[in-house]
Order: sequence, then C-alpha cells, then structure tokens
Amino acid sequence: QQQVKQSPQSLIVQKGGISIINCAYENTAFDYFPWYQQFPGKGPALLIAIRPDVSEKKEGRFTISFNKSAKQFSLHIMDSQPGDSATYFCAASRFIDDKIIFGKGTRLHILP
Amino acid sequence: DAGVTQSPTHLIKTRGQQVTLRCSPKSGHDTVSWYQQALGQGPQFIFQYYEEEERQRGNFPDRFSGHQFPNYSSELNVNALLLGDSALYLCASSLGRTGTEQPLHFGNGTRLTVT
Repeated sequence: QQQVKQSPQSLIVQKGGISIINCAYENTAFDYFPWYQQFPGKGPALLIAIRPDVSEKKEGRFTISFNKSAKQFSLHIMDSQPGDSATYFCAASRFIDDKIIFGKGTRLHILP
Repeated sequence: DAGVTQSPTHLIKTRGQQVTLRCSPKSGHDTVSWYQQALGQGPQFIFQYYEEEERQRGNFPDRFSGHQFPNYSSELNVNALLLGDSALYLCASSLGRTGTEQPLHFGNGTRLTVT
C-alpha cells in the first residue's frame, strides 16, 4: 500500500517558469511533510518541510501548499533555474514514528 | 563539519553472499537510519538505531540486520543476498527523534549490485 502518492513522474519546465509537484497521503496521523531534493550520485537533501497546522510555507523560491481536508500538498518552485534540475521527493511521517515515508519521486528538468 | 559518510561507495556481490555496509553519522548526531532506494524509486525505511538499539523497523526481512557502535557509527548487514537487493543503500543521521523537529541528513549511499 503506497501511503504517499506523487505526481507527475517527470516534469519539463522552461527557465523562469513555475514547477509544480503534487503529493497525496492516506494516513491522517501524519504530521510532518518534508520535501527532499536529490541530485545524481548524491543522497537526498531536505529542501523544505511543513506541519499540518499551516496551509503554506515559503522559503525563497520554494513554497509548500498544504490542504489538510484533501490530504494533499504540493511544492511550487518559482522562477525555475537549470540548477533546480533534480529528482524531488515528497514525504510524510508521524512524530511518534521515526520512519519517513517517501513518494516515488519526480524527475524535474529545467530547460535553459 | 563532516556530513554523513558511507563506505564503500560501490559494491558488487554474488547471490547468496553476505554484505556489510558502513556509516558514520554527521558530527553531533546520535541516531542512524537506513533506507533502501531501488532504481527510479523513493527511499524505503529499513530500520533506525538509537543508543545502540534498533528503535524501529520497516517491512524488511530478517536477512537485513544492523548494529550501532558507542561512537554512533552504524553497520547494515544483509545475508543471503538476492538479485532484488540490488539498490542504493542510504544512511541518514539525526539528533534524537527523527522528523518533526530533527530532519534527516543523508549520506551519498552505497550502490550494491547483486549478480
């Protein structure tokens, strides 16, 4: 049973455009929703995270939008740059639980 | 400030063999988690070690075992290797409990190929 569903699998965006990646979760007990960025040959690195008590969190060009009732959250990358080309993973976990459940990832390519 | 280091970076083993992967956590971190990342997939939680004890385990068979040493470094052991064990094995460290307040810091992984 896939607890975190991520879409799209791959995404191509023009430089300067907005990249949007969506995720949906099933377990209402999840209370921590991080996004990780992974470059080829590297481990994932935390990009931004949100708790369910807020509907939006912004850090620089990266914004998480969170819809608790729909059990959905999304990552928006504004003014996308070629250096943003990477694989992005949404994830979820519970505070009482130490494992983080990852989505299958979105391979993002920003055209120069 | 050294990040999470893993060794070896690449490994080729034959089906049925045993393998040991090693991890040194980020300086100041005391908790180590292991994840398996199959090609084109997201990381899957194997288990977590804290204070030299396995604190939580994911849906992996007993062929997967681990250990944490007093200096917080950790080993992942896989016995009776199967072709399906071929993957990138990621070690992640954190301080105390994972998640809400303490994000994971990942190493670059060990690429295991089973032939």
